Amino acid sequence: AQSVAQPEDQVNVAEGNPLTVKCTYSVSGNPYLFWYVQYPNRGLQFLLKYITGDNLVKGSYGFEAEFNKSQTSFHLKKPSALVSDSALYFCAVRDPSNSGYALNFGKGTSLLVTP
Amino acid sequence: DSGVTQTPKHLITATGQRVTLRCSPRSGDLSVYWYQQSLDQGLQFLIQYYNGEERAKGNILERFSAQQFPDLHSELNLSSLELGDSALYFCASSVTSTLGNTIYFGEGSWLTVV
Repeated sequence: AQSVAQPEDQVNVAEGNPLTVKCTYSVSGNPYLFWYVQYPNRGLQFLLKYITGDNLVKGSYGFEAEFNKSQTSFHLKKPSALVSDSALYFCAVRDPSNSGYALNFGKGTSLLVTP
Repeated sequence: DSGVTQTPKHLITATGQRVTLRCSPRSGDLSVYWYQQSLDQGLQFLIQYYNGEERAKGNILERFSAQQFPDLHSELNLSSLELGDSALYFCASSVTSTLGNTIYFGEGSWLTVV
């Protein structure tokens, strides 16, 4: 089955600094990768996805992600973090071995942006 | 607002009871997914329906069942509830179930079993 790994449970960054939330994937064939964000007591919100094409994908709220095939990574980035970006971030991969192509999620990374 | 609506938002029930969670997908979406989120298991895929038919099964217990109705709304039925079933249950939807489609999530239904 396709899977993703998020090696960091928590990432701390100061407001205004660049942020990176890491994700690596393990897939056979072409990867279909997604990032979601979950604010406290809220649902998952879609940020961006990589299907094919440019390795740098731009998404919502100023986030972008870089697809790196050689390193099997799909790291989420933002040039300047905001306190309001503090949330739980999930990387996910679409699993073509599952006939419904459901998303397989990583365990999540908690991002804390301090003023 | 993703356009996926889930009810109820919160539910407290006793062990051994049965509950039904309801989901209305985004307008035009044919595919509905159910996920369970808990601290120890993370986000687990339970089941998917596409245009009324079961399409895929994940880690869904036999005590749990779901269906999608002709108007495309879906219900997740949880029976013989145990303390360990306490979790946040998400419904999600997508236009179809092709690999490139984005899956949009509802706000979730918090289930507490006491």
